[in-house]
Amino acid sequence: EDKVVQSPLSLVVHEGDTVTLNCSYEVTNFRSLLWYKQEKKAPTFLFMLTSSGIEKKSGRLSSILDKKELFSILNITATQTGDSAIYLCAVQNSGGSNYKLTFGKGTLLTVNP
Amino acid sequence: NAGVTQTPKFQVLKTGQSMTLQCAQDMNHEYMSWYRQDPGMGLRLIHYSVGAGITDQGEVPNGYNVSRSTTEDFPLRLLSAAPSQTSVYFCASTPDRSSYRRYFGPGTRLTVT
Repeated sequence: EDKVVQSPLSLVVHEGDTVTLNCSYEVTNFRSLLWYKQEKKAPTFLFMLTSSGIEKKSGRLSSILDKKELFSILNITATQTGDSAIYLCAVQNSGGSNYKLTFGKGTLLTVNP
Repeated sequence: NAGVTQTPKFQVLKTGQSMTLQCAQDMNHEYMSWYRQDPGMGLRLIHYSVGAGITDQGEVPNGYNVSRSTTEDFPLRLLSAAPSQTSVYFCASTPDRSSYRRYFGPGTRLTVT
């Protein structure tokens, strides 16, 4: 059974801080790892990672994957109150014909002014 | 394009009642899925469909039925609602079964009393 573990489960920081969110996984036939941001609505896509060591960046957010150690991190620099959200990590397998996503429980990030 | 739409946005049911959560997409996506999200639990897959006429179970299928008679629609039926089904339900569509992207609907918040 595929498994995704995120840590920490919740985090409170002050504006301007840098945060690192962790995602470790066990999945048969790994295809991709995805990060989503969820505010008070549906998750929105942030990054998709398939190869080790290649950093994806979007503004103050960046993510990297380590396929040998089976984990990914999501970094947010110079945090703002608008970064407050649940950050979800998911892995996709390529076993069979289903390509299912397995989600972690999420990290609740609160950024205080 | 409206993307993925879900109705209703909110619903309160009594234990034992049945209802159907509606999901529709206008992107001609092949793959659709239903997730439930409970506090601190991430997203868990209920049922999915790889195309019209084809459905399969996900991680937590008990108490739910689905059908896919058209490419556009993927309703989720609760046969006899239970308090354990109180949750937020998200429908998602994906261009094809191998794609990593999930386009999420806005969600339905269901309370069973």
